[in-house]
Amino acid sequence: DTEVTQTPKHLVMGMTNKKSLKCEQHMGHRAMYWYKQKAKKPPELMFVYSYEKLSINESVPSRFSPECPNSSLLNLHLHALQPEDSALYLCASSQEGGFEQFFGPGTRLTVL
Amino acid sequence: AQKVTQAQTEISVVEKEDVTLDCVYETRDTTYYLFWYKQPPSGELVFLIRRNSFDEQNEISGRYSWNFQKSTSSFNFTITASQVVDSAVYFCALSGATDSWGKLQFGAGTQVVVTP
Repeated sequence: DTEVTQTPKHLVMGMTNKKSLKCEQHMGHRAMYWYKQKAKKPPELMFVYSYEKLSINESVPSRFSPECPNSSLLNLHLHALQPEDSALYLCASSQEGGFEQFFGPGTRLTVL
Repeated sequence: AQKVTQAQTEISVVEKEDVTLDCVYETRDTTYYLFWYKQPPSGELVFLIRRNSFDEQNEISGRYSWNFQKSTSSFNFTITASQVVDSAVYFCALSGATDSWGKLQFGAGTQVVVTP
């Protein structure tokens, strides 16, 4: 069983909707990550939280808004997305930056 | 800037054949980490190995083995006696100190197809 969980597994939303993706890790890690992965491409880093503070933001559009309520939880708030935002969104955690990252199963997002 | 190159887009083998996946990296950091991940059709990325820049020892784990050569900036991965369950996309990745710890630079991935 994965120790990084993500909900929901699938999400279909319209361009005017507001939704959130949730991630939880149970390994006591202090760094958490959001990645976006398009079909047949490698994951692209979106955000890194280290010790609950945003430490890396890869110039992601403001329609994606991350939130880290505590060291175990990571949310990604979505608003006014575009069809090109349809992708697999992966959450990961690691002991600290530079250590191996453990990934959740992902949320497959479709924007209509 | 850091870069990871996986030149092989797809490799097809018959079960029990060995398969070697190439990974070449570029970095100006003296301290860095290299990783291999497996992504089966289900989509979840599975961590396989982490190697730091100071440890050039090769490693074997069951049917998996890794060859790290700093002189050629390569970190190759071999699956011995492949099985159908090995069918997946395999990513090589790099994390370096000057580009902020925590940022994984992935290669494009190599699709491995193992047929019975």
